[in-house]
Amino acid sequence: DTAVSQTPKYLVTQMGNDKSIKCEQNLGHDTMYWYKQDSKKFLKIMFSYNNKELIINETVPNRFSPKSPDKAHLNLHINSLELGDSAVYFCASSQDRLAKSNEQFFGPGTRLTVL
Amino acid sequence: QKEVEQNSGPLSVPEGAIASLNCTYSDRGSQSFFWYRQYSGKSPELIMSIYSNGDKEDGRFTAQLNKASQYVSLLIRDSQPSDSATYLCAVTGGFQKLVFGTGTRLLVSP
Repeated sequence: DTAVSQTPKYLVTQMGNDKSIKCEQNLGHDTMYWYKQDSKKFLKIMFSYNNKELIINETVPNRFSPKSPDKAHLNLHINSLELGDSAVYFCASSQDRLAKSNEQFFGPGTRLTVL
Repeated sequence: QKEVEQNSGPLSVPEGAIASLNCTYSDRGSQSFFWYRQYSGKSPELIMSIYSNGDKEDGRFTAQLNKASQYVSLLIRDSQPSDSATYLCAVTGGFQKLVFGTGTRLLVSP
């Protein structure tokens, strides 16, 4: 009965490869997010989708492409991986992004290591 | 200037003491304020939210908001070793996106 789940939990890959991370939420929320947490633990938003529609797209390289097949799923595909992409990627969801009480719930994270 | 600023710590307090964690933010239009706790290797977990000036209490936790001073704080009473974690302050910015501070590491010694 996990609320927000991500796969895989760990991802180790070579520079230049393409990889995907999957996220699913069973909370019935309308909005999903991808965050990146770097080695200094700074957590920064990358993308936000509301009901399959892209709402927020921060200054993220084009190599990162999110896809939302339905409002319960938000996947992240990364092309041509670079060393600097190594980080923990968190998926999150919230009920209503426009509500004042836009409480976000986080998945367990995917630790990506690029060698 | 960072959008959300926190002292990185570590903040060390003895068991049973009050831990006081502080956060300042730059966007005067911010409406929603959150405190997340993150244990090492785990995901952020929401522990408090506050939307209006004043205090909000939940168990051992009290969040305080002062919009005029652009300041939000978290008090943890009767601190326990299990409270040792990084506490992230988050503020709603433009487009309702959540902007996080860099976190304050709290260490509670037995």
